[in-house]
Amino acid sequence: DAGVTQSPTHLIKTRGQQVTLRCSPKSGHDTVSWYQQALGQGPQFIFQYYEEEERQRGNFPDRFSGHQFPNYSSELNVNALLLGDSALYLCASRDGPKGSGANVLTFGAGSRLTVL
Amino acid sequence: GIQVEQSPPDLILQEGANSTLRCNFSDSVNNLQWFHQNPWGQLINLFYIPSGTKQNGRLSATTVATERYSLLYISSSQTTDSGVYFCAVDGGATNKLIFGTGTLLAVQP
Repeated sequence: DAGVTQSPTHLIKTRGQQVTLRCSPKSGHDTVSWYQQALGQGPQFIFQYYEEEERQRGNFPDRFSGHQFPNYSSELNVNALLLGDSALYLCASRDGPKGSGANVLTFGAGSRLTVL
Repeated sequence: GIQVEQSPPDLILQEGANSTLRCNFSDSVNNLQWFHQNPWGQLINLFYIPSGTKQNGRLSATTVATERYSLLYISSSQTTDSGVYFCAVDGGATNKLIFGTGTLLAVQP
């Protein structure tokens, strides 16, 4: 049973560029959340997708956007990259609101973004 | 919003030693998870424990919800236990987890 998978694992961009990160949730999970983890800090919530809609959003600018597809996979897009966007981006999935495992998040290995 | 504090921030142990990590939170929660982040960045869920006590091998956890703290116990530590341990909570039915700043554990052979 595959867990949460993310791609790419590492990437390097320059300031002003745009990036797209991808996530496939754990089998049977339909809710996807994205977190940003800066070096030496705990992960911070970006947003959550369920039924192809953004349901929750953290304190991140509109440069951060996302999408969820009918197969529950998700993308995180960041426009106009800044040096401060360098971080590990983590995707997490869980059962939907009515699922028996609704409160347990499973995380992927992350995508490490470096902005030069 | 909910504040999450973890202690100690750093911990160095000799292999075989026991340790206790603490997580304090500022409001009532309906979700509390302990995670271990390995050196490659992977967050591994250790416990879902909004209240009560659970054990899994050498690890156990206790959450006293009324007093707003949780403890993670590691017994007979091994070098593979090294990494950062995070406590994360959610005060509403949203699963928008708020993470603490973590405890960096180094287990030396």
